[in-house]
Amino acid sequence: NAGVTQTPKFQVLKTGQSMTLQCAQDMNHEYMSWYRQDPGMGLRLIHYSVGAGITDQGEVPNGYNVSRSTTEDFPLRLLSAAPSQTSVYFCASSYSTGGLNSPLHFGNGTRLTVT
Amino acid sequence: AQSVTQPDIHITVSEGASLELRCNYSYGATPYLFWYVQSPGQGLQLLLKYFSGDTLVQGIKGFEAEFKRSQSSFNLRKPSEHWSDAAEYFCAVGVSGNNDMRFGAGTRLTVKP
Repeated sequence: NAGVTQTPKFQVLKTGQSMTLQCAQDMNHEYMSWYRQDPGMGLRLIHYSVGAGITDQGEVPNGYNVSRSTTEDFPLRLLSAAPSQTSVYFCASSYSTGGLNSPLHFGNGTRLTVT
Repeated sequence: AQSVTQPDIHITVSEGASLELRCNYSYGATPYLFWYVQSPGQGLQLLLKYFSGDTLVQGIKGFEAEFKRSQSSFNLRKPSEHWSDAAEYFCAVGVSGNNDMRFGAGTRLTVKP
């Protein structure tokens, strides 16, 4: 029972580099989302998707892109990394309705450092 | 947009003592309210949630929370703390028709032996 799997666990980037954080879930959840967690700020929603082919912006979308070509996968792309994107990133999924009627299931996070 | 405040950044309690973690929300109507727990190096796990009905909700691991509309609060309680409860606790608020669930900044709980 894998649940939500995030890769990599750790990543160090130089300013301006690009990378993709991977997220996969095996629960057939329609809703998937990306959060960033920063000290003193809790979790902030970056982007979310309510199904394959549908994505939308959350609270802090700038500097990030997403796509949802399959139900299982929801990658997060940083096109040109900046030090302000140093954070811990969590992917979460839910059966429906953005975690309201069914709980959000979280991956174990990706710790990203941008130098 | 809805918002949530957790006034306490860090709380220390002794094992066996009772616990109350505070959460205040801002939203005009009744929101969905949640408490999640995060153990070190892990993702978040749902403890309990409230939307309607009985204002005292029971969750996993012996936790409960009480919704008080007059105070816009949803405080988490546990009558007797265990060392394994040491973690970070997040209150969250969601709104029907809106997929942007907002989390508080979190309260880190330390349990002294």
